[in-house]
Amino acid sequence: DGGITQSPKYLFRKEGQNVTLSCEQNLNHDAMYWYRQDPGQGLRLIYYSQIVNDFQKGDIAEGYSVSREKKESFPLTVTSAQKNPTAFYLCATTPGRLQETQYFGPGTRLLVL
Amino acid sequence: AQSVTQLDSQVPVFEEAPVELRCNYSSSVSVYLFWYVQYPNQGLQLLLKYLSGSTLVKGINGFEAEFNKSQTSFHLRKPSVHISDTAEYFCAVDAGGTSYGKLTFGQGTILTVHP
Repeated sequence: DGGITQSPKYLFRKEGQNVTLSCEQNLNHDAMYWYRQDPGQGLRLIYYSQIVNDFQKGDIAEGYSVSREKKESFPLTVTSAQKNPTAFYLCATTPGRLQETQYFGPGTRLLVL
Repeated sequence: AQSVTQLDSQVPVFEEAPVELRCNYSSSVSVYLFWYVQYPNQGLQLLLKYLSGSTLVKGINGFEAEFNKSQTSFHLRKPSVHISDTAEYFCAVDAGGTSYGKLTFGQGTILTVHP
């Protein structure tokens, strides 16, 4: 069963805590992306990676970190420096060719306790 | 840099009525345009895309969109909506080139279909 999986579906963060959101894909896609979604603001790009061991900041990277050690995996860490982390986080992939469709995972909702 | 404006944050409509969701973009280069749909607490699903060629693009679930370069618009239409079309719809632009794959999204339009 091919696709993109994100876990957990819901995640709770305590004050000052770092949390990591998982994104795994078995589509053999080169590029992976992390977006943050807030009501009325659409999706905003946090980080993206076009190849393994390389990643770039998006529009709102502050307070977040990523790694891309394997083609299949692109975990996102929400650090304690991110003061307003409550949002819906979406992972996406593309094959890596130009102007290709982005495929989205089911999302993780992060809530602050 | 490109930007996307969805002109209506909410669109209520009755079942079987036609609907148009409006999207305007700004970019200094040729762009590639997408419409995605999102059902509550789910990821986004591609409805249709314009890369080149015919300016009228047909997508899934009976939706279509028309690319108008002079008006920098990419409005989404459906001639007769169903209750199941109730969802949030996002317009997005990809400037291509070295920025390929980096989508800029509009703010979203919530379509509510009433019986």
